[in-house]
Amino acid sequence: SAVISQKPSRDICQRGTSLTIQCQVDSQVTMMFWYRQQPGQSLTLIATANQGSEATYESGFVIDKFPISRPNLTFSTLTVSNMSPEDSSIYLCSLEGTGNTEAFFGQGTRLTVV
Amino acid sequence: GNSVTQMEGPVTLSEEAFLTINCTYTATGYPSLFWYVQYPGEGLQLLLKATKADDKGSNKGFEATYRKETTSFHLEKGSVQVSDSAVYFCALRGGNNRKLIWGLGTSLAVNP
Repeated sequence: SAVISQKPSRDICQRGTSLTIQCQVDSQVTMMFWYRQQPGQSLTLIATANQGSEATYESGFVIDKFPISRPNLTFSTLTVSNMSPEDSSIYLCSLEGTGNTEAFFGQGTRLTVV
Repeated sequence: GNSVTQMEGPVTLSEEAFLTINCTYTATGYPSLFWYVQYPGEGLQLLLKATKADDKGSNKGFEATYRKETTSFHLEKGSVQVSDSAVYFCALRGGNNRKLIWGLGTSLAVNP
């Protein structure tokens, strides 16, 4: 299974600022995914990040708020921009095998906006 | 579209009790089914999976059987431990949609 390193593991940020979360994979993968997990909730897919193209965002998420970079096949970043307390969540990067195989997750970034 | 309905929590059990967490699904085609676990302060880990009808996934004493006739994938463990305290997520993938579809999660607390 792939090893996914995500950082920071947690952060406390002031409202109005931005935070960039990094995700490094130990193998080349075509698609990487960013999820949000709000307190006590399930996972919500934010966007799919393909190398060499713009990320594909899910309904309710926009690039201006959650810009994503995917400069190569082993790395991606998610930025949470102009943060408000409502952005306090766990953010997870993930990669999924082709077909009906399982997903692998980073350890998550626990973000608190004050 | 595809969906997953998971038993609401929280579930509180005493050590060595029997655990069942219900999960039912709606999907076109033949999805794969998963149970993920999230221990306190950690990310998600795959607990077990089943990729076709009647398959039984098992890991760490947990089991779940893919029942196509009842569209279910209930998680069971015969004797829970305090260390099993976590949030458990049922998920599916496949059919006509490659995205992972998640249940809402069930929080389990096991008391000594």
